Amino acid sequence: EVQLVESGGGLVKPGGSLTLSCAASGFTVNNAWMSWVRQAPGQGLEWVGRIKSKTDGGTTDYAAPVKGRFTVSRDDSKSTLYLQMNRLKTEDTAVYYCITLYNGSHKFWGQGTMVTVSS
Amino acid sequence: QSVLTQPPSVSGAPGQRVTISCTGSSSNIGANYDVHWYQQFPGTAPKLLIYGNSNRPSGVPDRFSGSKSGTSASLAISGLQAEDEADYYCQSYDSSLSAYVFGTGTKVTVL
Repeated sequence: EVQLVESGGGLVKPGGSLTLSCAASGFTVNNAWMSWVRQAPGQGLEWVGRIKSKTDGGTTDYAAPVKGRFTVSRDDSKSTLYLQMNRLKTEDTAVYYCITLYNGSHKFWGQGTMVTVSS
Repeated sequence: QSVLTQPPSVSGAPGQRVTISCTGSSSNIGANYDVHWYQQFPGTAPKLLIYGNSNRPSGVPDRFSGSKSGTSASLAISGLQAEDEADYYCQSYDSSLSAYVFGTGTKVTVL
């Protein structure tokens, strides 16, 4: 059974930093493309960033609102995905989901972790 | 601001058929990128409902169907049931943005 468990969310002040983790199991993590998607309170879904598998180059792409501030990385030896978030803004407040990407679809979702950016 | 537009809400009586539209442009749906659909209940993570425009993952009832034409896509729910009351999102890829894009979301209400 595929399991994705996010952690690391919490309250942070504007301008601060936070790193989210996503522990993956139940599938071959090495071969997976992975994505982060967020959802602000009462709002819709917003794609944040994606990392390809190492065999496909391991490259990353980001949504415009987070480019230059957020970094997606992976440690396949630990079956863990990361989202490092710097220079956080109040508009980054959201539930952050870790997801497996398959042929462009967001196939398996974690339960999400809440990030609140507030002074 | 989403590049895929959905109606904010649709409703129907039990047993009826409802459709949700997802309108894009020549840089996403019209550029032949697949459309995928997700179902989300309050307080829970979204779930993949339709992938590759019209394919259902294992376990998804065949009451749900997807289609795509030109720069738009649609999700149809036939034989509407109370348990279908949820939010639904379409998603594709946009070559101009080099980004995955989600629709604005549609709340389905069963009357």
